[in-house]
Amino acid sequence: TQLLEQSPQFLSIQEGENLTVYCNSSSVFSSLQWYRQEPGEGPVLLVTVVTGGEVKKLKRLTFQFGDARKDSSLHITAAQPGDTGLYLCAGSPPLYNFNKFYFGSGTKLNVKP
Amino acid sequence: EAQVTQNPRYLITVTGKKLTVTCSQNMNHEYMSWYRQDPGLGLRQIYYSMNVEVTDKGDVPEGYKVSRKEKRNFPLILESPSPNQTSLYFCASRLNNEQFFGPGTRLTVL
Repeated sequence: TQLLEQSPQFLSIQEGENLTVYCNSSSVFSSLQWYRQEPGEGPVLLVTVVTGGEVKKLKRLTFQFGDARKDSSLHITAAQPGDTGLYLCAGSPPLYNFNKFYFGSGTKLNVKP
Repeated sequence: EAQVTQNPRYLITVTGKKLTVTCSQNMNHEYMSWYRQDPGLGLRQIYYSMNVEVTDKGDVPEGYKVSRKEKRNFPLILESPSPNQTSLYFCASRLNNEQFFGPGTRLTVL
């Protein structure tokens, strides 16, 4: 059983559409992070959300941390082919003080031109 | 250029033949970690190190060893590899909240 559940697992959309990826847990996290991974490369950090209810924007990407700090979402507006990749959420439970990390299973996004 | 490097990038070996995957970072980070990535399971943490000579188990440490004799290097050792250790391995170093990942090592154990 994964500590962080991501949905959907796969998403194939047309350029210009909007989408939302969810990351859910029954556990509280000190913070949640979103990474993007391209084939043949390691994950790259997109954002860290720390405060319950926090919303962060990165151009067309909007990240939200749930009020109870158990879940997060990533919303992409007007998706572009360059957004194609594997999106991973990750977090460290308070007990581990950012030493032990758990990742979701990932959402594979394909944006068709 | 600030980076995490791993070697080798690809490795095919046979069951029981000891191997080491090296990891090096040039950012002077105290924290380093090893993960394995398998389809449908995301990344799972194998071991982490908070500083030189300080290491601890992650979620899936069985069958692996690590050492941290100097800050920049964090090798992953498989004393007796088995087919279920076939996977994509990532090393990472961390500063504050941000982890920096290496390019990955694809290991196949026959």
